[in-house]
Amino acid sequence: GEDVEQSLFLSVREGDSSVINCTYTDSSSTYLYWYKQEPGAGLQLLTYIFSNMDMKQDQRLTVLLNKKDKHLSLRIADTQTGDSAIYFCAESRENSGTYKYIFGTGTRLKVLA
Amino acid sequence: EPEVTQTPSHQVTQMGQEVILRCVPISNHLYFYWYRQILGQKVEFLVSFYNNEISEKSEIFDDQFSVERPDGSNFTLKIRSTKLEDSAMYFCASSEDRDFSYGYTFGSGTRLTVV
Repeated sequence: GEDVEQSLFLSVREGDSSVINCTYTDSSSTYLYWYKQEPGAGLQLLTYIFSNMDMKQDQRLTVLLNKKDKHLSLRIADTQTGDSAIYFCAESRENSGTYKYIFGTGTRLKVLA
Repeated sequence: EPEVTQTPSHQVTQMGQEVILRCVPISNHLYFYWYRQILGQKVEFLVSFYNNEISEKSEIFDDQFSVERPDGSNFTLKIRSTKLEDSAMYFCASSEDRDFSYGYTFGSGTRLTVV
């Protein structure tokens, strides 16, 4: 299908790990991204992974990529209340030499104190 | 850190009126984009722009929409005759390279409310 799918909600306790999952559609995507959107704010790039990588770690963030299943996940270690936000995965999609993002539906992460 | 700046942050307009949403991309970026997000929904691609012309546009970007880079620094999105369903958050973005290996930089958005 055309849609990049994510689960809508995730609730975790402060200090626990959060895992946000994404299923993308375009196996030729060169890069896959995770963006964070805080309430009323814009889109902040958190991290990205190149398609020939399986894993990327960046401080508390770990991205796992399973190309065979077109599955991307974002793990946030030691989740804090400030991590409460909507998280979007995005794939880059090429069309006749131009690129655009296709965003997932977004996962609203709620961190309970 | 360089930013993409969007103005205004919030615009209220009457149905049928024209609106212009303004964006100042990062100065050395060459590729520009508009996306929109209807409240509670996902972020959708509208249009990409390079070398003073549209590279790609989505089905949403119909004849009511146009983009322009009038003076080498601003990048504008015009909606000629707004409809209620145009109410959304509009995000401008820019990137240095075509395949945005480092990701886009997004502005903080303009919330458009059509009444």
